[in-house]
Amino acid sequence: RKEVEQDPGPFNVPEGATVAFNCTYSNSASQSFFWYRQDCRKEPKLLMSVYSSGNEDGRFTAQLNRASQYISLLIRDSKLSDSATYLCVVPSGGGADGLTFGKGTHLIIQP
Amino acid sequence: DAGVIQSPRHEVTEMGQEVTLRCKPISGHNSLFWYRQTMMRGLELLIYFNNNVPIDDSGMPEDRFSAKMPNASFSTLKIQPSEPRDSAVYFCASSHRSGGSTEAFFGQGTRLTVV
Repeated sequence: RKEVEQDPGPFNVPEGATVAFNCTYSNSASQSFFWYRQDCRKEPKLLMSVYSSGNEDGRFTAQLNRASQYISLLIRDSKLSDSATYLCVVPSGGGADGLTFGKGTHLIIQP
Repeated sequence: DAGVIQSPRHEVTEMGQEVTLRCKPISGHNSLFWYRQTMMRGLELLIYFNNNVPIDDSGMPEDRFSAKMPNASFSTLKIQPSEPRDSAVYFCASSHRSGGSTEAFFGQGTRLTVV
């Protein structure tokens, strides 16, 4: 299994719909996870962290499934401005500080 | 704070030339990362520094790539000689390490084209 794996999409979703995508990771020792968002031709920016119990931030919910080694991101009531690439991020492991990024899932919200 | 500052924003150079990318991390951050992004490979960690010391350079593709961090407020990534396959967006990011992984703040990137 690759370190971090994501479905590249694109996910084409009508405005107002709910969309969810997953990310699988290989390092079972990973403790903290993140979702970053990257707009076209821009730098990645932190969307939310994901901890053991999962967390919610407005329309966004991130969950962690340690047994199956995946994290998910759920977006409710999607907006046009949610169109972006969503990057799953896990620590590089081995005590390193680096972050390993997935290749991202491309989301397109359609009016 | 102005955030992570990278220069130049765009660089077009001929194969064989030396390229130097520059980064100024956020003041107070003690970790600095260089990433490369391409369509095929996504975001790849090239090297990172902690307190100006290179910790892991296993992602550096080959000897043509080198990175330095002479002080807490400046880092360079150098490619010599450059090749067309080095064309990519190079991001610098910084974070404040206080135990465990923390949020990394990215600069706007340098878009490198080697012709």
